[in-house]
Amino acid sequence: DQQVKQNSPSLSVQEGRISILNCDYTNSMFDYFLWYKKYPAEGPTFLISISSIKDKNEDGRFTVFLNKSAKHLSLHIVPSQPGDSAVYFCAAVTPQGGSEKLVFGKGTKLTVNP
Amino acid sequence: KAGVTQTPRYLIKTRGQQVTLSCSPISGHRSVSWYQQTPGQGLQFLFEYFSETQRNKGNFPGRFSGRQFSNSRSEMNVSTLELGDSALYLCASSSQGADYGYTFGSGTRLTVV
Repeated sequence: DQQVKQNSPSLSVQEGRISILNCDYTNSMFDYFLWYKKYPAEGPTFLISISSIKDKNEDGRFTVFLNKSAKHLSLHIVPSQPGDSAVYFCAAVTPQGGSEKLVFGKGTKLTVNP
Repeated sequence: KAGVTQTPRYLIKTRGQQVTLSCSPISGHRSVSWYQQTPGQGLQFLFEYFSETQRNKGNFPGRFSGRQFSNSRSEMNVSTLELGDSALYLCASSSQGADYGYTFGSGTRLTVV
């Protein structure tokens, strides 16, 4: 059962426009969410995170919104740049007895066209 | 400071063989997690080690095992390789704390033929 879902495998936007990447989750025990960006042949790079006690977190061009009642979060990139083209993974943290693990979605491939 | 180092970067093995992958975490990080990335399944959690103890384990068969040494370096072993084990294996290290500061290595690309 997939607990973190990214229903759009790909997204294409024009340079300068807004990119909106979506993520849904099913486990109400998740207490922290992260977005990672991944280029081919490289490991994921942390982008931005949000605690479950907040509904918004902003860092430069990146903003993450969390809607707990809908179990939905989204990543907004404004303005989008060609260098943002990558696969974006949504991840949720599930605390387990003093440890925690990341549960990832399957990723959304973002292409920003010049 | 140096990042997470995974070796080797690429590996080709034959079905039935075994393989050992290595991960050196960021200095001072005591937690090391392993993930498998495949095109169809995304990133899936394998296991996490902290202070030489396995704290958490994902839903993978017993052919997948790991260990952590006193210097926090970790190894992952896969025995009796199957074609389906072909994947990118990623290691992440983190410090203790609430910021969930996971840093990933570049991964080891394993191809089983």
